Order: sequence, then C-alpha cells, then structure tokens
Amino acid sequence: GAVVSQHPSWVICKSGTSVKIECRSLDFQATTMFWYRQFPKQSLMLMATSNEGSKATYEQGVEKDKFLINHASLTLSTLTVTSAHPEDSSFYICSAMQREGPQETQYFGPGTRLLVL
Amino acid sequence: GESVGLHLPTLSVQEGDNSIINCAYSNSASDYFIWYKQESGKGPQFIIDIRSNMDKRQGQRVTVLLNKTVKHLSLQIAATQPGDSAVYFCAEKSGGYQKVTFGTGTKLQVIP
Repeated sequence: GAVVSQHPSWVICKSGTSVKIECRSLDFQATTMFWYRQFPKQSLMLMATSNEGSKATYEQGVEKDKFLINHASLTLSTLTVTSAHPEDSSFYICSAMQREGPQETQYFGPGTRLLVL
Repeated sequence: GESVGLHLPTLSVQEGDNSIINCAYSNSASDYFIWYKQESGKGPQFIIDIRSNMDKRQGQRVTVLLNKTVKHLSLQIAATQPGDSAVYFCAEKSGGYQKVTFGTGTKLQVIP
C-alpha cells in the first residue's frame, strides 16, 4: 500500500515555543490530508482537513490560529503548534487521501509524539 | 486535554481462538466503514472495509459484519495470533464527506 511519513517522530519543546510537524505522501499525490490528535487511551480526534492550495477546514473547537496548517504541495502538509503549552502534549497523526478513480483510501502516518514541558 | 483514568475496553483471547470485536455507530447516514489496527506508538493501519450495501466482507483471517438495522459493526479475527495484539478502531464515513470518524477503540490482548 501507499506510504505516508511524518517528521519528526517525536519532539520535546519548552512551553511557549512553536513546533512544526511534517506529513508526506511518499509514493502518491494527495490533494487532501487530515490531521488527528490522540490522547493516551483515547481515540483519534480529527483536528482539520488540509486541502492543497486552499485553506484548511478545522473541526469545531480546534483553534485555527494555534494549529496552523499549510498544504503547500501535493505531497506535503505541515502542522505548526504555535505557543505550545503542556496541554498540547499529545500524539499527532496525519493521513493522506489517495484517489484511484472512484476509490478513496486514507493512509495514515506513523504519528508524532509531542511533549511540551 | 488528557483524560485521567480512562480505559479502553479490553478483550483477552487465547492464542489460536477466534476474536470478535464489536462497534456501535450512531450516524445512520454512514455508508462506508473501516476497521483499523493501531499498535502502541504507531499510526492506524487499515485492516478491512465494507460499504453499506453489503452485510459481510471477508479478508485474510478477518471478516467484517455490518448490521445496519441496529447500527452495529463487528470484526472477526480467526486463529488469533500474538501479533494481533493491538487497539482496534472502527471508523465510519458518510457519502459526500471525506473525513473519517473514529470509534472509541477496543484493546485486544492475545494470551500465548
């Protein structure tokens, strides 16, 4: 199947700093990518839908000015957590949508663990 | 923020036995369902999917059953192996919407 990568796989930062996470579709083009957040022992919660060449669509309750999303190319979306605080510590997972005719399949990245001190 | 004391439902199964993981969904408009497997510290991995015009689909060692009347989905794993130990999520998608909504998850523990 198709491969999605994330970088970094883990990051530790100080409170108040910004952290950028990259999501890449390695062997296919993805006009649509998704960003999820997962707290321990919980399910994945969709944060936003990232569309190539246009603004991201954020889910209710997700601050767009805090979680900046840029989908600059067909293989790359970035999530920047601005002015990170300890409560932003979580597992961030992206997925990329592969379209083959009428079939749409989401492939997930390996996740990025963020710890804010 | 992080919830303290929240535990995933856990299913413990003897190696070699069959496992059945259940999922209830709420959106009657959902027409596409997916099961994902998530190992510790990793992203979800696609297992099998089913469209709402079907009630059963089989893959390699896995079967998904869909009961639209009671909005229930199940994943059956035959001859469960230690490598099947993971958290399993059902997910749903409704026509015209790209986003996938995840269920709460079930932790499968395989006892050797």
